[in-house]
Amino acid sequence: SQQGEEDPQALSIQEGENATMNCSYKTSINNLQWYRQNSGRGLVHLILIRSNEREKHSGRLRVTLDTSKKSSSLLITASRAADTASYFCAAPRRGKIIFGKGTRLHILP
Amino acid sequence: GAGVSQSPSNKVTEKGKDVELRCDPISGHTALYWYRQSLGQGLEFLIYFQGNSAPDKSGLPSDRFSAERTGGSVSTLTIQRTQQEDSAVYLCASSLEVVETQYFGPGTRLLVL
Repeated sequence: SQQGEEDPQALSIQEGENATMNCSYKTSINNLQWYRQNSGRGLVHLILIRSNEREKHSGRLRVTLDTSKKSSSLLITASRAADTASYFCAAPRRGKIIFGKGTRLHILP
Repeated sequence: GAGVSQSPSNKVTEKGKDVELRCDPISGHTALYWYRQSLGQGLEFLIYFQGNSAPDKSGLPSDRFSAERTGGSVSTLTIQRTQQEDSAVYLCASSLEVVETQYFGPGTRLLVL
């Protein structure tokens, strides 16, 4: 079963707009991680947010975590063509890190 | 410094043959993970190693799959008697500690004909 599940599965927005992706998880966690994947190869780590944090920023990225709702969101502001990729949330479960199926983000010119 | 490397980048094999996939983690990282990703899908956990502890093999799909990590560094994922459904990208990742930030290799794309 999925520990992290992203929503929506796919998202297309105009360049310059903001993109929001959501993630829900099932069990208690000590952190939640977001990754980006281009072209179906290696993933790149974006942000790790710990369970005692509610919000974290990195450049144009903003991640929130609501442990009471077991959910997280990733906001990309002022999107660019280079942001076109798949985005995954990942949550630890008994030592393993379980990934969702991802959100495919497409930035339209 | 050097990141995680994997070899080969691509592997084409015939059904029934054995394959070995290699992962060189970042030096000093105690945790090493293997994942499988089918086209357009998410990452499927296969196995992870943490220090000298026994590996968590709970994600291996069948007994045709095995992995080892020698000297706490390099890891090899072996698939015996490959089947067409084994075709996927196999990703390796390492982290300083288990469940912390993972650093991924570029993956090995396996095609079983």
